[in-house]
Amino acid sequence: DVKVTQSSRYLVKRTGEKVFLECVQDMDHENMFWYRQDPGLGLRLIYFSYDVKMKEKGDIPEGYSVSREKKERFSLILESASTNQTSMYLCASTFLDRGNYGYTFGSGTRLTVV
Amino acid sequence: KQEVTQIPAALSVPEGENLVLNCSFTDSAIYNLQWFRQDPGKGLTSLLLIQSSQREQTSGRLNASLDKSSGRSTLYIAASQPGDSATYLCAVRGETSGSRLTFGEGTQLTVNP
Repeated sequence: DVKVTQSSRYLVKRTGEKVFLECVQDMDHENMFWYRQDPGLGLRLIYFSYDVKMKEKGDIPEGYSVSREKKERFSLILESASTNQTSMYLCASTFLDRGNYGYTFGSGTRLTVV
Repeated sequence: KQEVTQIPAALSVPEGENLVLNCSFTDSAIYNLQWFRQDPGKGLTSLLLIQSSQREQTSGRLNASLDKSSGRSTLYIAASQPGDSATYLCAVRGETSGSRLTFGEGTQLTVNP
């Protein structure tokens, strides 16, 4: 069964900490995405990547960075965590330039910054 | 800019009822439309994917239709069960948006025993 795996289901971090959220997919997808989801705001795209070492800003990139050193792995980095980054983080992947395919999502990481 | 709207925002029905969730989008130039289910505190699970050239897709008790020209999709759930309680999201992949999806706000469904 194809999968997008997020390394942590729940994380609690302190303000100012550097936080890494990891995502791995086993479907050979070129595209990978990071979203955050907040009540009343829906899903918002933070960053995405269409190839190794490539990245594109989404709608809310401020306070975040990403890393894609291998095709299967896409990391979201909070350089200095703040309480307003408390949220559900969702990783997703899909094929590039193939409208026949949909997205596959991971199970999410609930991050709390205290 | 593509906008996706889902109506209703919330729906409560008795077990066994057939129901329809609605999704509309403003730009008909799409590659596909995808329906997802999300349980509280969990990720998104893909239910059905409809290509722009298709009219409908079926999986078990679920049937999704697509009318691209009018910018509408419906998700039909037959013989609803309490286990169907979840939030249902539709998302479109536009021809001019690269690989990005545009999501609706979701419909929160409660099926009462």
